[in-house]
Amino acid sequence: RKEVEQDPGPFNVPEGATVAFNCTYSNSASQSFFWYRQDCRKEPKLLMSVYSSGNEDGRFTAQLNRASQYISLLIRDSKLSDSATYLCVVRGINYGQNFVFGPGTRLSVLP
Amino acid sequence: GAGVSQSPSNKVTEKGKDVELRCDPISGHTALYWYRQSLGQGLEFLIYFQGNSAPDKSGLPSDRFSAERTGGSVSTLTIQRTQQEDSAVYLCASSLQGNTIYFGEGSWLTVV
Repeated sequence: RKEVEQDPGPFNVPEGATVAFNCTYSNSASQSFFWYRQDCRKEPKLLMSVYSSGNEDGRFTAQLNRASQYISLLIRDSKLSDSATYLCVVRGINYGQNFVFGPGTRLSVLP
Repeated sequence: GAGVSQSPSNKVTEKGKDVELRCDPISGHTALYWYRQSLGQGLEFLIYFQGNSAPDKSGLPSDRFSAERTGGSVSTLTIQRTQQEDSAVYLCASSLQGNTIYFGEGSWLTVV
């Protein structure tokens, strides 16, 4: 089993749609959780950290369920500019200080 | 500089040649990471440096790959006797005490 797994995608949605990304991780000792965004042929960039109580940043909402080892990202009112690959990222003591990236889910927002 | 700086941005090399890729992390960041990403694939961890500790080399795919970090700052990733399957973008990242990591723009390597 991979350490971090994500929906395989791709997701093709119309502008204005709500889209949800799911991620599971295998190491229960994981400590920190993030969503990164990667545009085509660009480096990954931090979208948002994920906190135990859940957190929101504008149209983006992240949730963490430690018991289920599950992370989610919800994008509301999607824009054309949201088209990218979304990467779930996990860090834990058992990994040393390494950050483990999921394979990513590609999103295309269509006009 | 303000961000992670990598060089060269693009490198085309002949099969069998050695290449060196350089990474200059964000000033003050103690942790430095190298990842590799082949076209259309996910990020593959290669090596991680944290301060003066021994590096975590568990992701290096073969003994043709090595990396150094001098003076706790600049790092060089060396690939010896390059093969076509080494073609990828090599991404360097840095972080402060294991917090959020920030990536450079990558070094795009093509082995012909």
